[in-house]
Amino acid sequence: SAVISQKPSRDICQRGTSLTIQCQVDSQVTMMFWYRQQPGQSLTLIATANQGSEATYESGFVIDKFPISRPNLTFSTLTVSNMSPEDSSIYLCSVDQEGGETQYFGPGTRLLVL
Amino acid sequence: AQSVTQLGSHVSVSEGALVLLRCNYSSSVPPYLFWYVQYPNQGLQLLLKYTSAATLVKGINGFEAEFKKSETSFHLTKPSAHMSDAAEYFCAVSRGTYKYIFGTGTRLKVLA
Repeated sequence: SAVISQKPSRDICQRGTSLTIQCQVDSQVTMMFWYRQQPGQSLTLIATANQGSEATYESGFVIDKFPISRPNLTFSTLTVSNMSPEDSSIYLCSVDQEGGETQYFGPGTRLLVL
Repeated sequence: AQSVTQLGSHVSVSEGALVLLRCNYSSSVPPYLFWYVQYPNQGLQLLLKYTSAATLVKGINGFEAEFKKSETSFHLTKPSAHMSDAAEYFCAVSRGTYKYIFGTGTRLKVLA
């Protein structure tokens, strides 16, 4: 399976600021995904990021709040914009392998907004 | 629409006892089913998956799960719990597409 890294691993931010989270994969993948895991909750898909096209956002998530870049087949970024305490969550990226059958996850970025 | 229900947000077992974590799904088409484990301060690790092959699926760390279509279940089991199994476990379903639906998770506590 792919080896996935995320930066930063954790951060504490002030409300109103923005944070960009990086996701790096050690092999080329077509599709990358960004999830949010709010405290004590399950995972919710934010968006799907394909290289060379605009990200596809799930209901309840908008590009202005969570802009995503996918400049190549091994890298993606998620920005959490104009943060509020409600954005305090774990943000995870994942990649699809095995032809859509399985997703593998990065270690996550733990964000606390004060 | 697909959905996943994990019964029991918290499960406690004694070390050496059977681990049983329950997952029921609903899906209009044959599903793909997954169990992931999340250790404290870590991401999700794939334990095992069902993709319409054998109904009894063996995973890592001694875990296995059985797909029962008649019961729409995919319960996770391990014959003997170890202290290192303490973690949160998530069941997920997809239709072979990229969209996963995750359950709400079950936190497993292993008692010495």
